[in-house]
Amino acid sequence: NAGVMQNPRHLVRRRGQEARLRCSPMKGHSHVYWYRQLPEEGLKFMVYLQKENIIDESGMPKERFSAEFPKEGPSILRIQQVVRGDSAAYFCASSPLRDTEAFFGQGTRLTVV
Amino acid sequence: TQLLEQSPQFLSIQEGENLTVYCNSSSVFSSLQWYRQEPGEGPVLLVTVVTGGEVKKLKRLTFQFGDARKDSSLHITAAQPGDTGLYLCAGESLGSSNTGKLIFGQGTTLQVKP
Repeated sequence: NAGVMQNPRHLVRRRGQEARLRCSPMKGHSHVYWYRQLPEEGLKFMVYLQKENIIDESGMPKERFSAEFPKEGPSILRIQQVVRGDSAAYFCASSPLRDTEAFFGQGTRLTVV
Repeated sequence: TQLLEQSPQFLSIQEGENLTVYCNSSSVFSSLQWYRQEPGEGPVLLVTVVTGGEVKKLKRLTFQFGDARKDSSLHITAAQPGDTGLYLCAGESLGSSNTGKLIFGQGTTLQVKP
């Protein structure tokens, strides 16, 4: 049973470009969480999704950031017009049910140059 | 805004020493988790504590949840170089509508020297 798969592992974007981060949850998991981690810091919640629904996006910046979890395919975190401050590690976690243990992927490290 | 404060932020010790990491908040949490994260990897869950006063042991690691469910500690006995990493506490707040959303502390970076 493969774990949570995130790709790419590393992503370099120039300022103003778009970044797309993908997360394939563990098999049988329909709940996905995205977190952002700045260097030497803990993780900050961004968004919680179930299939085709955004449940809680209270941690998402109001502009340039969006997330989706379609019926088929991975969850996508999209950052438009990236700025240097978006450079961070972005982690996805999935769980089979609400309020059960979530398993984290290895993260995508975004560098904006 | 609920916060989890971890202390110390950095800890460098010799192999064989004992250490304790603290995770404190002014808010009550329905559960609290401890993770270990290695460089370039995602956090890996070590333990979940849910009952006030609960103590859980995982080999040389002892986890305690405060009676009021506002704080927790991680104690490592006879630390080994393999224990080196970033230790994170994370809590699920009461009244979060059971979304599973976690609030993380800023982490404790542990270095164990051989």
